[in-house]
Amino acid sequence: AQSVTQLGSHVSVSEGALVLLRCNYSSSVPPYLFWYVQYPNQGLQLLLKYTSAATLVKGINGFEAEFKKSETSFHLTKPSAHMRDAAEYFCAVSDRGQGGKLIFGQGTELSVKP
Amino acid sequence: EPEVTQTPSHQVTQMGQEVILRCVPISNHLYFYWYRQILGQKVEFLVSFYNNEISEKSEIFDDQFSVERPDGSNFTLKIRSTKLEDSAMYFCASSEGQASNQPQHFGDGTRLSIL
Repeated sequence: AQSVTQLGSHVSVSEGALVLLRCNYSSSVPPYLFWYVQYPNQGLQLLLKYTSAATLVKGINGFEAEFKKSETSFHLTKPSAHMRDAAEYFCAVSDRGQGGKLIFGQGTELSVKP
Repeated sequence: EPEVTQTPSHQVTQMGQEVILRCVPISNHLYFYWYRQILGQKVEFLVSFYNNEISEKSEIFDDQFSVERPDGSNFTLKIRSTKLEDSAMYFCASSEGQASNQPQHFGDGTRLSIL
């Protein structure tokens, strides 16, 4: 069965600093991987997805993630944090044979200090 | 940009009552999903729906839950005889094509509070 682990339930960075949110997955077959962001009182918005094309995936709002099969990781990065990036971030995996359900990690709350 | 809409945004219900959560998926999407997020916990899959039938459901989705697409636009989640532990944020999502590699678009959710 697939699973997703996000290291760190809360990450705090200063404005302008590098953002690194960690995600490791477990899957018996090459997975499809997604990062979603949830702003307060809103739904989940897709940031980016990996579906076996380029291993470095660029998303919205300056975020990117790199798929590393050898490390079973899909960490999310952004070179320079903005105050508006403060939100909850979820990594998710969808097994190709499962018909599309998403398995989510527990989420990482990102705080950005001025 | 088209979006998934959910109503109501907040539903308060007495324990034991039935509740219906409503969703309007994006119009050309073919796959529909319900997820829930209990406060402080991860988002959990409940059920997926395609071609007017359930394609997959989780162990959470027991006999008290049902889904329906009563017309060409709405997708509903019904919870019969609600329990306190059903209190959660419920998210509807839809995707366009072959579900596994298509991104799912989420609504803003319905916060369900069971008293």
